[in-house]
Amino acid sequence: DQQVKQNSPSLSVQEGRISILNCDYTNSMFDYFLWYKKYPAEGPTFLISISSIKDKNEDGRFTVFLNKSAKHLSLHIVPSQPGDSAVYFCAASGSTGANSKLTFGKGITLSVRP
Amino acid sequence: GAGVSQSPSNKVTEKGKDVELRCDPISGHTALYWYRQSLGQGLEFLIYFQGNSAPDKSGLPSDRFSAERTGGSVSTLTIQRTQQEDSAVYLCASNGPTRRSASGGTSYNEQFFGPGTRLTVL
Repeated sequence: DQQVKQNSPSLSVQEGRISILNCDYTNSMFDYFLWYKKYPAEGPTFLISISSIKDKNEDGRFTVFLNKSAKHLSLHIVPSQPGDSAVYFCAASGSTGANSKLTFGKGITLSVRP
Repeated sequence: GAGVSQSPSNKVTEKGKDVELRCDPISGHTALYWYRQSLGQGLEFLIYFQGNSAPDKSGLPSDRFSAERTGGSVSTLTIQRTQQEDSAVYLCASNGPTRRSASGGTSYNEQFFGPGTRLTVL
């Protein structure tokens, strides 16, 4: 049973526009939600995270929104840049000990067109 | 170095052979995780080490997989009698204290990943 789901495998947006990447989860016990970016042949790079007690966290061009009642989160990138083209993974975890292991979605490939 | 390092970067082996993968976490990070990414799949948790505590092995797919962490730093993941379905990218991550991001916000459970070892079992 997949606890973190990224239902769209790909997204293409125009440079300068907003990219919205969606993620759903089933486990209401998750405390933290994270977004990672991955280029080919590299390890994932942390982008932004949010605690389950918050509904929004912003860092530069990246904003993550959390809707706990819907078990849904989204990553907004604005403005999108060609260098943002990569695979984006949504992940979730508990807060302590072994629960800190990350449960990942399958990723979404973002393409930003110049 | 400043980041998580892994070796080798690529490993090709024959079915039935044993392989050993190495991870050097960020200095001072007490938590260390192994994940793997199989073709077309997301990242899958394998094993977790925290300090001197007993590891959480709940993600290991079979008893052919084992891992150890010596001296609370370097970790090795060993796969015995490799099978073709073991082919994947094996990623190591380490985690330190919750920190502030550049913009002043809090980063929760930020795990720093190495570049991975791509294992191919022929």
